[in-house]
Amino acid sequence: DAKTTQPPSMDCAEGRAANLPCNHSTISGNEYVYWYRQIHSQGPQYIIHGLKNNETNEMASLIITEDRKSSTLILPHATLRDTAVYYCIVRVAPGNQFYFGTGTSLTVIP
Amino acid sequence: DAGVIQSPRHEVTEMGQEVTLRCKPISGHNSLFWYRQTMMRGLELLIYFNNNVPIDDSGMPEDRFSAKMPNASFSTLKIQPSEPRDSAVYFCASRTPGQEKYFGPGTRLTVT
Repeated sequence: DAKTTQPPSMDCAEGRAANLPCNHSTISGNEYVYWYRQIHSQGPQYIIHGLKNNETNEMASLIITEDRKSSTLILPHATLRDTAVYYCIVRVAPGNQFYFGTGTSLTVIP
Repeated sequence: DAGVIQSPRHEVTEMGQEVTLRCKPISGHNSLFWYRQTMMRGLELLIYFNNNVPIDDSGMPEDRFSAKMPNASFSTLKIQPSEPRDSAVYFCASRTPGQEKYFGPGTRLTVT
């Protein structure tokens, strides 16, 4: 699986959009970009994933650059409950495990 | 569905004792994963099963660790004998092919 690079920490004001970047310059053509988060003392939670196109679900939006070397997770209206560590992972299509890196610790400030 | 169920939620034991962690995956999920999380090493994959068969146990630290999945609805991770450096939060996760993983709440293990 390709390596990812994320900033170690970020702050975001409550109600504003949180934009979390991820670099994955060695991503292969068949690798997906996945985002998970982990709220303190809980198990990791799946957020969203994509291959090439931008994706949106009820939790977040995922913007993938045209060259696929980086992506941004967007939480459109951050709440205090979004304070968590966010992990960006790239992985091949179903059948393979993947590994979490150190992630970005997002703090939503009142 | 109740999600992935893990027990116990907390375990405190003395060095040298046997520890058994349990996991019930989500019904219908055919892949099961065991992870360990520590401050120093982050989240590490220990082993995963497909259709109850261990596929990759390269993440298992050493022979003191063993995992079994006797049926589709139950798995155990055993540490014998336990050591203080095994203290961590152990997560179980499950999924169906092509879908995202669902993690359990974890077992916080403290070995004194």
